[in-house]
Amino acid sequence: DTGVSQNPRHKITKRGQNVTFRCDPISEHNRLYWYRQTLGQGPEFLTYFQNEAQLEKSRLLSDRFSAERPKGSFSTLEIQRTEQGDSAMYLCASTPVGTRATGELFFGEGSRLTVL
Amino acid sequence: GQQLNQSPQSMFIQEGEDVSMNCTSSSIFNTWLWYKQDPGEGPVLLIALYKAGELTSNGRLTAQFGITRKDSFLNISASIPSDVGIYFCAGPAYSGAGSYQLTFGKGTKLSVIP
Repeated sequence: DTGVSQNPRHKITKRGQNVTFRCDPISEHNRLYWYRQTLGQGPEFLTYFQNEAQLEKSRLLSDRFSAERPKGSFSTLEIQRTEQGDSAMYLCASTPVGTRATGELFFGEGSRLTVL
Repeated sequence: GQQLNQSPQSMFIQEGEDVSMNCTSSSIFNTWLWYKQDPGEGPVLLIALYKAGELTSNGRLTAQFGITRKDSFLNISASIPSDVGIYFCAGPAYSGAGSYQLTFGKGTKLSVIP
C-alpha cells in the first residue's frame, strides 16, 4: 500500500500523559499536513511542513503540541500533558510537488485519540 | 475566519435516488473541493473545481462551482449503498499567518436505504 500511513490507529490514554502519533506520507510528496477532527466537525488545519521545514502552525496548536519532520520524510505529532479536550481524530495528509492548488490532499486513515 | 456552511446536515434516501447537497460561504473562494469520508477513515478527494461556473463530473458525481464563487453544489445520481458517508466541501482560506490552508465545512451525512 503506497498511501499515507498513520499509527497508531487508536490510542486511549489518561489525562496528563504524553502521546505521539506518526505519519508516513506518500513518497515524493514534499508537503505534509496535520489536521484535527472532532465529532460532527470537518477537519481543522493544525500545521504543515515543506520537506523538513515547519512553515506554519495554527493557533489551535497550543504549546503542548509539537510536530517534527526531521528528514523530510515521516512526521511525528506529540501531545504533552493530554487533556480531555484533546480527544479527536488526528489526520495526516500529503501533497506532491507542484500541486495545482492548496487542496488536493491525500489523507491517511487517521489516529483516534481518547483521553480519559 | 472564512466558514463553509453545508446543507443539509444529513439525509436519508432510497437506493437509486439522486442526491443534491450544497455548500455556501460568506467569502469568495477561488477553489472548491469535495471530499468523502467513510466511517473510521480519512477524507478522500472526489472532485476539485478551479473556475467559476465550472461543472465537473466524476462517474455518478457532478459538482459545480457557483458563478458568485460563494457556493458549490454536489449531485450524486442513482445512489448505491456504498455512497454512504460524510461529504465535505472545502476550500483554501487565509490562515492569518501568510498562507492559504484548506478549510472544511461540517459535512453532509448521507445514508442510503437499500
